[in-house]
Amino acid sequence: NAGVTQTPKFRILKIGQSMTLQCTQDMNHNYMYWYRQDPGMGLKLIYYSVGAGITDKGEVPNGYNVSRSTTEDFPLRLELAAPSQTSVYFCASSYNTPSNQPQHFGDGTRLSIL
Amino acid sequence: AQTVTQSQPEMSVQEAETVTLSCTYDTSESDYYLFWYKQPPSRQMILVIRQEAYKQQNATENRFSVNFQKAAKSFSLKISDSQLGDAAMYFCAWNGGSQGNLIFGKGTKLSVKP
Repeated sequence: NAGVTQTPKFRILKIGQSMTLQCTQDMNHNYMYWYRQDPGMGLKLIYYSVGAGITDKGEVPNGYNVSRSTTEDFPLRLELAAPSQTSVYFCASSYNTPSNQPQHFGDGTRLSIL
Repeated sequence: AQTVTQSQPEMSVQEAETVTLSCTYDTSESDYYLFWYKQPPSRQMILVIRQEAYKQQNATENRFSVNFQKAAKSFSLKISDSQLGDAAMYFCAWNGGSQGNLIFGKGTKLSVKP
């Protein structure tokens, strides 16, 4: 199994540009998450989804949008990139929650806004 | 709101020695799970060990073990016989509630000296 796949791995954007970070999982997990990790910090939740068609805000949702049209895919969109969105973004998934089953993480996307 | 605190930004250990990383958390939930994740420079999030709050027995995984003190809301990680490959950022994380997202501490950077 591929697990959680994120693309791209690296990206540089100019201020005001938009882009979509892709996330796909092949484990048939219901729950999917987007986190951001700023330098020297732990991961913070941006958005999450408990199933296809259902999304909700996390701790730091401003400047982002998500959709969940299928169980497998959970893209994260930045509409107007700002320097404060420079970060490493992680997508994760889990079958159910709360649970002792660990969340499966993608390898992250390093995004720089210049 | 749930919080996770790692009070040691950096720790250092001699190869083959033992080191303990501290973690405290705050929650009003009775059912939850705790995790330690390792993040090497490759930035992958790797599960090290997990603990169910309802289990009194401390979890162990080979050289890794935890000291779980539920009343004190403490969840420390002990690494025995430290190896050079253990050098990484270590994150303590709490999982519970309906959202199911992980709440992370800020991390502890572990260095291993040969």
